[in-house]
Amino acid sequence: QKEVEQDPGPLSVPEGAIVSLNCTYSNSAFQYFMWYRQYSRKGPELLMYTYSSGNKEDGRFTAQVDKSSKYISLFIRDSQPSDSATYLCAMRAAGANNLFFGTGTRLTVIP
Amino acid sequence: SQTIHQWPATLVQPVGSPLSLECTVEGTSNPNLYWYRQAAGRGLQLLFYSVGIGQISSEVPQNLSASRPQDRQFILSSKKLLLSDSGFYLCAWSRDRPGQGTQYFGPGTRLLVL
Repeated sequence: QKEVEQDPGPLSVPEGAIVSLNCTYSNSAFQYFMWYRQYSRKGPELLMYTYSSGNKEDGRFTAQVDKSSKYISLFIRDSQPSDSATYLCAMRAAGANNLFFGTGTRLTVIP
Repeated sequence: SQTIHQWPATLVQPVGSPLSLECTVEGTSNPNLYWYRQAAGRGLQLLFYSVGIGQISSEVPQNLSASRPQDRQFILSSKKLLLSDSGFYLCAWSRDRPGQGTQYFGPGTRLLVL
């Protein structure tokens, strides 16, 4: 079993839709959770960074962490064509340097 | 602000040839540095990380090596490339306190071994 599971998609939505992206994980030691956005042929860009359980909002993006279910989500409101990219979840344990990544979900927002 | 550079952006090399990819970070001191390889459908694989000059930890045994000759310079090398070395190589940095903060990625180098 992989440490982090992420549906690879692809996911296509119309412009303005609410997008939900999800990851599950197996290691209960993970406490720091990140979402990266990666445009084609570019390096990943950090979108959201959260610690432990709860919600964090930044503009149109909301990150949720449910440690009891080992489940994290990224919601994108009012999706735009510029949101078309691959979204990677990542996580690590406290005091650790290494990140564990999902394989990424490819999102296309159709104008 | 901090900036991370990688070069070259794209590289096509024959099997058996040597490799040298370079990564530099600006705007911070004593960063932790990381090399990843990204293959389609397999996510990001950590290859090496470094917490200081000359200090390299290898995560995956392979024909690649890494060196950190200066505080903000990280180099990925190979003496003889294999076809399986093709991929997208990403360098990343994080702040110098172990386990603190998160990682920030460079633009990547796309390597094709023929």
